[in-house]
Amino acid sequence: GAGVSQSPRYKVAKRGQDVALRCDPISGHVSLFWYQQALGQGPEFLTYFQNEAQLDKSGLPSDRFFAERPEGSVSTLKIQRTQQEDSAVYLCASSIRTSGVETQYFGPGTRLLVL
Amino acid sequence: TQLLEQSPQFLSIQEGENLTVYCNSSSVFSSLQWYRQEPGEGPVLLVTVVTGGEVKKLKRLTFQFGDARKDSSLHITAAQPGDTGLYLCASSSNTGKLIFGQGTTLQVKP
Repeated sequence: GAGVSQSPRYKVAKRGQDVALRCDPISGHVSLFWYQQALGQGPEFLTYFQNEAQLDKSGLPSDRFFAERPEGSVSTLKIQRTQQEDSAVYLCASSIRTSGVETQYFGPGTRLLVL
Repeated sequence: TQLLEQSPQFLSIQEGENLTVYCNSSSVFSSLQWYRQEPGEGPVLLVTVVTGGEVKKLKRLTFQFGDARKDSSLHITAAQPGDTGLYLCASSSNTGKLIFGQGTTLQVKP
């Protein structure tokens, strides 16, 4: 498919466990964003990449959260020593600017449950 | 940081009814986007409004951008069960990151 894909779709982790969430953006999209979404709420920005450069990580809630995009394509969001409050849907979006308009395309998300 | 307030937070209506969802901010929007999100999926862009006073129509959906560009509304005519979902407004910062409202959960009962 041509859309943004994320894996795994569901992840159950025990508190204290490390998790890694993967995002495959649309081919050729320069920008990549990660968002966190609590149930029934709007997504909240976590971090932003332009190619392999992480230009904004102001939304990462703690130093347990780490994101990378080493080759400017696939990105991984890693959460160390997961806590119950980390339970949420993690959304990835990629975007491209065309004629001055930037549109973000979202993946289906990874639903993380920390027990 | 610009805060977006959406109302109502939850709406449950019968098929065929009309509804309006509101998105407000104390700051001026450079542009505003409306998304719809279905359970288990990511948000999907419905429309972007840029000009104060702008009205855009997408089938039974009508989007308005306030003259002062501080508020927007989404009106759905003759709602159908397929319209069920989470409706989100969002503004874009100059880096492209989106700031979302808290969303309006719409349930349309047959």
